Amino acid sequence: DAGVIQSPRHEVTEMGQEVTLRCKPISGHDYLFWYRQTMMRGLELLIYFNNNVPIDDSGMPEDRFSAKMPNASFSTLKIQPSEPRDSAVYFCASSGSDTSNYGYTFGSGTRLTVV
Amino acid sequence: GENVEQHPSTLSVQEGDSAVIKCTYSDSASNYFPWYKQELGKRPQLIIDIRSNVGEKKDQRIAVTLNKTAKHFSLHITETQPEDSAVYFCARGSARQLTFGSGTQLTVLP
Repeated sequence: DAGVIQSPRHEVTEMGQEVTLRCKPISGHDYLFWYRQTMMRGLELLIYFNNNVPIDDSGMPEDRFSAKMPNASFSTLKIQPSEPRDSAVYFCASSGSDTSNYGYTFGSGTRLTVV
Repeated sequence: GENVEQHPSTLSVQEGDSAVIKCTYSDSASNYFPWYKQELGKRPQLIIDIRSNVGEKKDQRIAVTLNKTAKHFSLHITETQPEDSAVYFCARGSARQLTFGSGTQLTVLP
């Protein structure tokens, strides 16, 4: 299994530009999570999906952020327009349906820098 | 979800000594408590976890203990080695959501 795959690994963009981050979860995992990691705020849950349906997006900072999961093997997190304060590492994670043990498997992350 | 308090934020130990990291939580619905290790520039990786119906779990040099009454759980690393140096995150799980602690930077001094 290739694990959770994220792209790109690094993204540098100018303020005001649109940024799209991509994630492929582990095959068979029906939960997908988007996290943001910064030194100041640690690991923050932005949104998560179950069977491709968004369940909780209360962590999405504002309307500039949106996430989709059109099918079981692909999800995107979009920021439009981007701002310097969005600079962070964005992790995607997936989890299976075992209700007693739902430890996440994280992707390698996308390091976003907005200048 | 409610926060998880993690202490200490930094910890330095001599190689071969033990390290203990503690977390507390307040949500009684929490039923799953994993620990993650994150090396510099890498992804967080699950190293051990415990369910709410178990008080202790051990895997080689690492162990986790859970006190549900007091709502705290701890990570114990024995015989520390330089490769144990990393940031460790605790988390509490409820309804499949994980809420993470703020992390502990562990440094093992040779």
